[in-house]
Parts: sequence; structure tokens; C-alpha cells
Amino acid sequence: GAVVSQHPSRVICKSGTSVKIECRSLDFQATTMFWYRQFPKQSLMLMATSNEGSKATYEQGVEKDKFLINHASLTLSTLTVTSAHPEDSSFYICSARSGREGGETQYFGPGTRLLVL
Amino acid sequence: TQLLEQSPQFLSIQEGENLTVYCNSSSVFSSLQWYRQEPGEGPVLLVTVVTGGEVKKLKRLTFQFGDARKDSSLHITAAQPGDTGLYLCAGGNNDMRFGAGTRLTVKP
Repeated sequence: GAVVSQHPSRVICKSGTSVKIECRSLDFQATTMFWYRQFPKQSLMLMATSNEGSKATYEQGVEKDKFLINHASLTLSTLTVTSAHPEDSSFYICSARSGREGGETQYFGPGTRLLVL
Repeated sequence: TQLLEQSPQFLSIQEGENLTVYCNSSSVFSSLQWYRQEPGEGPVLLVTVVTGGEVKKLKRLTFQFGDARKDSSLHITAAQPGDTGLYLCAGGNNDMRFGAGTRLTVKP
């Protein structure tokens, strides 16, 4: 199956700093990428959807100025958590899909665990 | 608000038992996916169901998509400790949203 990587896999940062997480599709072109957040013992919650070359669409309650998403190429999307706070500590997972429409399989990255001190 | 309701949320059984996990929604989906997630890892796709009434088998796992494409079930036969994990159903027409998950523990 298709492979999606994330970097870093784990990051610890101080409160107030910014953290960038990369999501790459390794063997296919990802027209659409998704970012999810998962708190302990909970399911994945969709944060935003990004299509290559256009602005991301954020879910209700997700601050677009705090969670900056860039999908500049067909194989790379980045999520930057700006001015991180302890409550932003979570497991961030990206997924990638080759098409813009539904019905295509999404492939998930291994996740990035963020701990904000 | 979860678009997809999963039940049960927790399930603890003995090795060898059978179990069924349900995923229900009031919405119609073009497709539904089932994933399994281990702690600290991303979800791994088990199956995608597309056609209403479709049944797919993956070794001891049987997946069914409801006729109206609003619900799905996962049945595991003769569960093994290696089946322990978080099972997630997900669906969407342009994006993918997850149910709350079923945390399965299979005791040896």
C-alpha cells in the first residue's frame, strides 16, 4: 500500500514556541491531505483539509492562525503549531489521498506526538 | 458531534470468543473504512466497503456495509490476543471522519 511519512515522530517544546510537522506521501501524489488530532483515549478529530495549491479548510473550532497548514507540493504538507501551549499537547496525524473527490483511499502517517512544557 | 457512532466503546473478551463491533450513522456514505490503531501509531487500513450490502472477509474478520450505506459492522471470529487494539470506522464523502472507536482487549 501507499506510504505516508511524518517528521518528527516526537517533539518536546517550550510553551510559546512554534513547531512544524511535515507530512510526505512517498510513492504517490497527494492532491488532498488531512490533519487530525488525537487526545489520549479518544478518536481522531479532523482539524483541516488541504488541497495542493489552495488554502486549507479548517473544521469548526480549529484556529487557522494557530495551526498553519501549507500544502505547497503534491507530496508535502506541513502543519505549524504557533505559540504552542500545554493544551496543544496531542498526537497529530496526517493522511493523504490522491484525488480531490471522495471514494479514494486515505493513507495515514505514523503520527507525531507533541508535548508542550 | 460524532457523525459516526460506534458501539461498544470498550470490549474485553477471552481468546477464542467471537465479537461484533457496530458503526452507525444517519448519513449516507459513498464508502466506509475500518482501521485498527495501536498505541502511538497511526491508523492502519483494514478494509474499504463501497457497495450497499457488501460483505468483505479478511481472514477471521468479516466486514459488512449496510444496504442503505449508513452503517457497517465488523465481526471477528475466534479472537486472539493479537487482535487487541483500537478499531475505528471512518467515512466521508469528501473528507474522512472517525467514529469514537472500539477499544478491544482479548485476554489469553
